[in-house]
Amino acid sequence: SQQGEEDPQALSIQEGENATMNCSYKTSINNLQWYRQNSGRGLVHLILIRSNEREKHSGRLRVTLDTSKKSSSLLITASRAADTASYFCATLGAGSYQLTFGKGTKLSVIP
Amino acid sequence: ETGVTQSPTHLIKTRGQQVTLRCSSQSGHNTVSWYQQALGQGPQFIFQYYREEENGRGNFPPRFSGLQFPNYSSELNVNALELDDSALYLCASSLKGTTAGELFFGEGSRLTVL
Repeated sequence: SQQGEEDPQALSIQEGENATMNCSYKTSINNLQWYRQNSGRGLVHLILIRSNEREKHSGRLRVTLDTSKKSSSLLITASRAADTASYFCATLGAGSYQLTFGKGTKLSVIP
Repeated sequence: ETGVTQSPTHLIKTRGQQVTLRCSSQSGHNTVSWYQQALGQGPQFIFQYYREEENGRGNFPPRFSGLQFPNYSSELNVNALELDDSALYLCASSLKGTTAGELFFGEGSRLTVL
């Protein structure tokens, strides 16, 4: 079963614009992670935010976490055509051993 | 490059057949997880192996089984293949004992069942 639900399912923007993707989840978590997947390839870990953190930055990425609303957002600033990919949030439940993924947001960045 | 390698990259089977997929984990990682990703969906957890023992299992029937070897490499076996087993199978390695749970994925094995 899917724990996280990303929103929107698909997003198309112009190069240079910012892209924001949202993720909602259902149960208590240890941490929340964002992964990227180029078409049909393996997933690449982008950033991890722990349940006691509210915001985290890594390069052009900014992640926020609101545990009271059980939601997270991923912001990609100054997008590039190379950012075109699917983005997945994944949650590690409290006391759990498995990451549970959402269905993903498909981002298209138009040059 | 994560250092996780999977083989084969693509394969085609027919219904009722059996398949074995292989994974070599990243150096130093002692835990391997397998995921199934259907087209247009997120990865679904199949199971995890730690020190050659199954450490957790998702909602998959017993015809999905696995092994982990002393060098931490792993196999996923699927018996009595069904059409719905067509998917990208992803292997991910990690280091148990850390709290982060960050996974390092291979490029996947794409299975088509006809």
